[in-house]
Amino acid sequence: DAGVTQSPTHLIKTRGQQVTLRCSPKSGHDTVSWYQQALGQGPQFIFQYYEEEERQRGNFPDRFSGHQFPNYSSELNVNALLLGDSALYLCASSLVETYEQYFGPGTRLTVT
Amino acid sequence: TQLLEQSPQFLSIQEGENLTVYCNSSSVFSSLQWYRQEPGEGPVLLVTVVTGGEVKKLKRLTFQFGDARKDSSLHITAAQPGDTGLYLCRNQGGSEKLVFGKGTKLTVNP
Repeated sequence: DAGVTQSPTHLIKTRGQQVTLRCSPKSGHDTVSWYQQALGQGPQFIFQYYEEEERQRGNFPDRFSGHQFPNYSSELNVNALLLGDSALYLCASSLVETYEQYFGPGTRLTVT
Repeated sequence: TQLLEQSPQFLSIQEGENLTVYCNSSSVFSSLQWYRQEPGEGPVLLVTVVTGGEVKKLKRLTFQFGDARKDSSLHITAAQPGDTGLYLCRNQGGSEKLVFGKGTKLTVNP
């Protein structure tokens, strides 16, 4: 049974560019959450998707947007990248009625 | 937004020692989760505590939820190098926004 997978593993972008990160949830899960983890910090909640709708959102600007597809996979899009967006981006999946989240290994984004 | 403070921020000990790390909240938790994150990996859920005063044991790890549900502790007995990692606490969610603490980075030296 495949767990949560994320792609790509690493990514280097230039300030001002746009980036798309991808996540496939654990089999049977219907809810995907995204987190940003800066070096030496705990993960910060970006948003959560269920039934292709944004269900909850953390304190992130509109430059951060997402999408969930009918197969429950998800994308995180970040526009107008800033140096401060450099971080590990984690995806977690769960069933909507539970909060037992399974995390992927993350995508390491570096903005230069 | 609920704020979670974890202490200590860093902890370096020798194999075989005992240790306790703490998680304190600015408001009451509906429930709390502890995760461990190893380098290059995502966090892995260790336990969920729900009831004030609750104690849960997972092998050498003991988790305690404060009576007032505003604090929690994780105690490790006879630490091993495999316990090395970042220990994170998090509110469970529901009507609250999902919030992690900054974590305690534990290093267990052989």
